[in-house]
Amino acid sequence: GAGVSQSPSNKVTEKGKDVELRCDPISGHTALYWYRQRLGQGLEFLIYFQGNSAPDKSGLPSDRFSAERTGESVSTLTIQRTQQEDSAVYLCASSRVGSYNEQFFGPGTRLTVL
Amino acid sequence: SQQGEEDPQALSIQEGENATMNCSYKTSINNLQWYRQNSGRGLVHLILIRSNEREKHSGRLRVTLDTSKKSSSLLITASRAADTASYFCATDDNYGQNFVFGPGTRLSVLP
Repeated sequence: GAGVSQSPSNKVTEKGKDVELRCDPISGHTALYWYRQRLGQGLEFLIYFQGNSAPDKSGLPSDRFSAERTGESVSTLTIQRTQQEDSAVYLCASSRVGSYNEQFFGPGTRLTVL
Repeated sequence: SQQGEEDPQALSIQEGENATMNCSYKTSINNLQWYRQNSGRGLVHLILIRSNEREKHSGRLRVTLDTSKKSSSLLITASRAADTASYFCATDDNYGQNFVFGPGTRLSVLP
């Protein structure tokens, strides 16, 4: 594919349920990032994968959040026992490794927790 | 508090005018990037400036970086209605990690 894709584009869930969000990075991009964007706010870094290195999880807001990445391909972000404050757009980005780090963003998944 | 903070938070100008947005940050950076986000869409990368660069141009965009003041500015010349969007600056640390985005500047270009 030409760009980063994410699924689903929209997800409505009930408080307390688990959700899984998917990201397909651009082929050949070894770095993958997850961000959260609450309504009217800037992006909040969540987690960063780089090749086979241990991911940088420093941005995950709580232990209800986790993410996995299979090799240098698909990543899933899982939110357990969702809360209303988890409602946001979750953006995924990928980039090549190098000094430029230009990130290419997917369209995002809009999560609404009722 | 956030590493990258843009100001103003909102800017409204007439088509044809120039728009200037500023970004300040707190710690040492590797790169600073500017992104645009149209309403309901994903982010689009505009321009990247390295910490050892002072100015970069791309079309109608001009970005400056002052590492002594820990600030950057994005100038859009001869603005168009299609430039209406939110603009974010993002910084990464000296290891090229820990990307932090500011809250953005909402630019409205009126026809």
